[in-house]
Amino acid sequence: DTAVSQTPKYLVTQMGNDKSIKCEQNLGHDTMYWYKQDSKKFLKIMFSYNNKELIINETVPNRFSPKSPDKAHLNLHINSLELGDSAVYFCASSSTGLYSPLHFGNGTRLTVT
Amino acid sequence: AQRVTQPEKLLSVFKGAPVELKCNYSYSGSPELFWYVQYSRQRLQLLLRHISRESIKGFTADLNKGETSFHLKKPFAQEEDSAMYYCALKGTSGSRLTFGEGTQLTVNP
Repeated sequence: DTAVSQTPKYLVTQMGNDKSIKCEQNLGHDTMYWYKQDSKKFLKIMFSYNNKELIINETVPNRFSPKSPDKAHLNLHINSLELGDSAVYFCASSSTGLYSPLHFGNGTRLTVT
Repeated sequence: AQRVTQPEKLLSVFKGAPVELKCNYSYSGSPELFWYVQYSRQRLQLLLRHISRESIKGFTADLNKGETSFHLKKPFAQEEDSAMYYCALKGTSGSRLTFGEGTQLTVNP
């Protein structure tokens, strides 16, 4: 009965490849996020969607493209993967509002070789 | 701009000792503050939030607007408290949650 689920859990791929990470939430939330956790465990927001509309787009290479087919899904597609893309990517969701906490998925550990 | 600072990257205490994880923030309005915890190789989980004024797993955090701080405290640390702790701030726009850099807490036996 997972609230925020992302697949795959692990992703190992070579430089230059294109890969996607999927995220789904069954909490009825209208806002979804992608965060990147680097090797130093620093968490940084990448994107946020509210009701399928992009509302936050941080300084992220345009090789990263989020897609939200509906408000329960937010996928992340990465083109031309680079070594520096290796990280753990967390999907999260929340309802709108100041006091609404984020609910995180289990993360996708991406390793680019 | 909103910013969260956790000055200690690593914190090590012995079991039974008090622990305080520091968090300072910078925000011009009235933010909502959270503490999240990440146990080894697990997802981030909400530990507590300022608005609830609750104690979770023995942890408390008080918002000090004068010092712009939201330190996390526990009087008697347990080994199972060993984890990465993130302080986070949500501004009045409600859409962006900004995390501090995290503090890795190790509770030694």
